[in-house]
Amino acid sequence: GENVEQHPSTLSVQEGDSAVIKCTYSDSASNYFPWYKQELGKRPQLIIDIRSNVGEKKDQRIAVTLNKTAKHFSLHITETQPEDSAVYFCAARRKNTDKLIFGTGTRLQVFP
Amino acid sequence: EADIYQTPRYLVIGTGKKITLECSQTMGHDKMYWYQQDPGMELHLIHYSYGVNSTEKGDLSSESTVSRIRTEHFPLTLESARPSHTSQYLCASSEYSSTDTQYFGPGTRLTVL
Repeated sequence: GENVEQHPSTLSVQEGDSAVIKCTYSDSASNYFPWYKQELGKRPQLIIDIRSNVGEKKDQRIAVTLNKTAKHFSLHITETQPEDSAVYFCAARRKNTDKLIFGTGTRLQVFP
Repeated sequence: EADIYQTPRYLVIGTGKKITLECSQTMGHDKMYWYQQDPGMELHLIHYSYGVNSTEKGDLSSESTVSRIRTEHFPLTLESARPSHTSQYLCASSEYSSTDTQYFGPGTRLTVL
C-alpha cells in the first residue's frame, strides 16, 4: 500500500533562517499532496497543498516543490519566525481515493 | 461560522465503560473521517464515510464503530474502553472536489484508566 516517509523528525533553526522538510511517497498514482501544521494542543491546519500537475507552489514565506519522477515533495519555509514552531505533516492521496496517507511528522523549533 | 466541532474535548473514564465521541460539521461536506493520533505523532485513519449510511474502515484496525445517519454528524463509539484506547481522536471532513482537502476538528483527548 501507499507509504509516505518524512524527514527530518526534528528540526531546529535560528529565527530568520530557512527550513526544509522532505517527504517521499511510494505510489506513483498519488496526485494530491497537502501539508498540515499542528501547534501544540491544536488541530492540524492546512498550510499549503500541491497537485501532481504542478511542480511548485508558493504562498508568501511558504513553498512546496514536487518531483514526480523521484516521487518526493518538500516544504520550504523562509525567514522563519518563532510562531512557525509546530509539528508539520505531509500527506499524499492516491488518485480516485478519499484517503490521505500521512507522514510521521517533523517537529520544527525556531529559536529567537 | 462553518466549522467542525468535537465533544467532549477531554474525557477520562474507567476501563469497560461505553463512550461516544461526537463530531459535527456545518461545512456542508459529504465526506467525514476519524483519525487516531498519539501526541505529536502521525495520524492514523480508523473510519471514514462518503455520506449518509456509508461507513468504511480505515487503515488502522480499531475496536470502535461509527454511524452516519445525518450528513453533519459522525459519532464514534467504543463499546468497552480499555487503556490501549488512550489517545487523541480527530474528526475531519471534506467535500467532493479534485483535491478533497480535509479540515480537522479540535480533537478529543481520551484517557482510559
